[in-house]
Formats: sequence, C-alpha cells, structure tokens
Amino acid sequence: KQEVTQIPAALSVPEGENLVLNCSFTDSAIYNLQWFRQDPGKGLTSLLLIQSSQREQTSGRLNASLDKSSGRSTLYIAASQPGDSATYLCAASVGSNDYKLSFGAGTTVTVRA
Amino acid sequence: KAGVTQTPRYLIKTRGQQVTLSCSPISGHRSVSWYQQTPGQGLQFLFEYFSETQRNKGNFPGRFSGRQFSNSRSEMNVSTLELGDSALYLCASSLALREQFFGPGTRLTVL
Repeated sequence: KQEVTQIPAALSVPEGENLVLNCSFTDSAIYNLQWFRQDPGKGLTSLLLIQSSQREQTSGRLNASLDKSSGRSTLYIAASQPGDSATYLCAASVGSNDYKLSFGAGTTVTVRA
Repeated sequence: KAGVTQTPRYLIKTRGQQVTLSCSPISGHRSVSWYQQTPGQGLQFLFEYFSETQRNKGNFPGRFSGRQFSNSRSEMNVSTLELGDSALYLCASSLALREQFFGPGTRLTVL
C-alpha cells in the first residue's frame, strides 16, 4: 500500500521568499507523481505531473523533482506571492493499470505581504 | 475545452436518506475517479470507472456505489446516509499519462 507523507503541515513565509514543499512515498514503484493546489472549499488544480522516468518538471515559477530511490519529491515555488497561499497536495499512482491516487495530507502555505 | 463539472455543488440531506452525485468528465476522457475529502481523513479514493466498467475500488462500505454511462459521465450514489458521510466529494477525469483533472466538488452535509 502506498503511503504518502507531507511535512510540514503548515508553512508561513514573507512575500518574495522561495518555497520548498516536501513529499515522501513508501512504494518506489510509482507510475507518476502529481502536485496539486487546493484553495479553501474548492477542487484541486493540477500543477505538475512527473512521470516515473523523469527527474523534474518545470512550469513558470514552479519546479518539481522526483527521486524514486529515496522515495521523495520536492516542489519549489520561486519568489512567492500572496496569491500562492493555498494547500499543496502531492499524490502518487502505482501499478501498470491503476489510476488510483494516494494523497498526502497536504502543506498549507501562507505567504505574508 | 470545458473542465470537469460536478452537480449539484451543494447538498443537504438527513440521516437515512440517499443521494446521487453527478460528474461530467473533460471531453474525450474515459477514466473517471471519485474521491472523498474530509478534514480528518484527507482525500480517500472511492472508485474508478473506465468505459462503463469499475476498474478499482477503495475501502468504503457497500453503501457507496457508482456507475458510468456510455458518454463517460459518471454518477455516485450513497444510500442510508450517516453523519460521517458529510464531506467534499471530488471527481477526476484522466486521459494521457494518467494525469488527473479534478472538478470543483460537491459539498454534502448530512444532518
């Protein structure tokens, strides 16, 4: 069973600081790992998808890395802005034909203006 | 391209009733998954459908059921509602590389 952990549970930073969000998983046989953003009471917005064969993915100020051997993924957000305040979730899928995502509990980020 | 849509957005029911939630995936997506999100348990997988067949099921009681239609639209049903069923129910659709796209969710409150 895939267990996904995100530490810390909450993070508060001043505007302009770089954010580093951590995600760890127990089963290295993942198919892909996906990072999401969730605003209060809303659905999930996909940020980045990293396939198991990739080491990192980038989109604008966001960069996500994947290290299967250590069971870790890291999401970097450069030059944080108040609009980046949200809960960030990572999720892993495993198996050759398994679309089930195992989610971490999320890291709630507050960017102070 | 329209995103994943879910109806209704909000529901209030009483214990013992049943409820049906609907999800329309992104056009062309054939895989639809359902998740329950609660403050205590986080996001938990309910089931996944592909081409009208349930391919995977999470650890939920039989009161939770679903189906998928030929146009890929999906419904989930919860019978004999309990207070603990109060949650945000999220639907996701997928096409390539299993990237999941989520809808806005249905907020269910059981009184």
